[in-house]
Amino acid sequence: SAVISQKPSRDICQRGTSLTIQCQVDSQVTMMFWYRQQPGQSLTLIATANQGSEATYESGFVIDKFPISRPNLTFSTLTVSNMSPEDSSIYLCSVGTGDGEQFFGPGTRLTVL
Amino acid sequence: GESVGLHLPTLSVQEGDNSIINCAYSNSASDYFIWYKQESGKGPQFIIDIRSNMDKRQGQRVTVLLNKTVKHLSLQIAATQPGDSAVYFCAENIQAGTALIFGKGTTLSVSS
Repeated sequence: SAVISQKPSRDICQRGTSLTIQCQVDSQVTMMFWYRQQPGQSLTLIATANQGSEATYESGFVIDKFPISRPNLTFSTLTVSNMSPEDSSIYLCSVGTGDGEQFFGPGTRLTVL
Repeated sequence: GESVGLHLPTLSVQEGDNSIINCAYSNSASDYFIWYKQESGKGPQFIIDIRSNMDKRQGQRVTVLLNKTVKHLSLQIAATQPGDSAVYFCAENIQAGTALIFGKGTTLSVSS
């Protein structure tokens, strides 16, 4: 399995500001994904981070709110823009192997005041 | 919409008992299933997976059973330990390499 790190591990932000979350993998991977986990809930896919092209967003998530970068095969960022308290969640990146396995980072715990 | 769901939100067992966590899925085209364990404050941890061409797979103290006829998935944990206390999620994958669809999660509480 890959070793995945995320920065920051947690943050408390003011309404209207933006936060960029970084995801670093210790090996090159083809597939990277960003998920959101609201308090006490399951995981919901935000988008697939595509290397060298625009991310593919799921229904209910838009690029203006959650811009994603994927400059290479080991790194991706997710920005939560113009935050509101409803954005308070755990944000998780995951990486996929060629045979379907997916492994998750430790998550970024975001609180918006 | 198509989704993976769980039968019970919480499960309480005694240390040493066997635990069974259930999951129902609705998409008959799903090819791949994963069980994750999530401890408080951590990301989901891969436990075991199974492909649709199998009906049983065993790991260390864990067994996953897949019943495609009734679209049911279960995770069996043998000799449950306090360290097994966590939230368990099942997830399905329509096609290798695509994103996962997660179920709601079952909280397993193990008392000693």
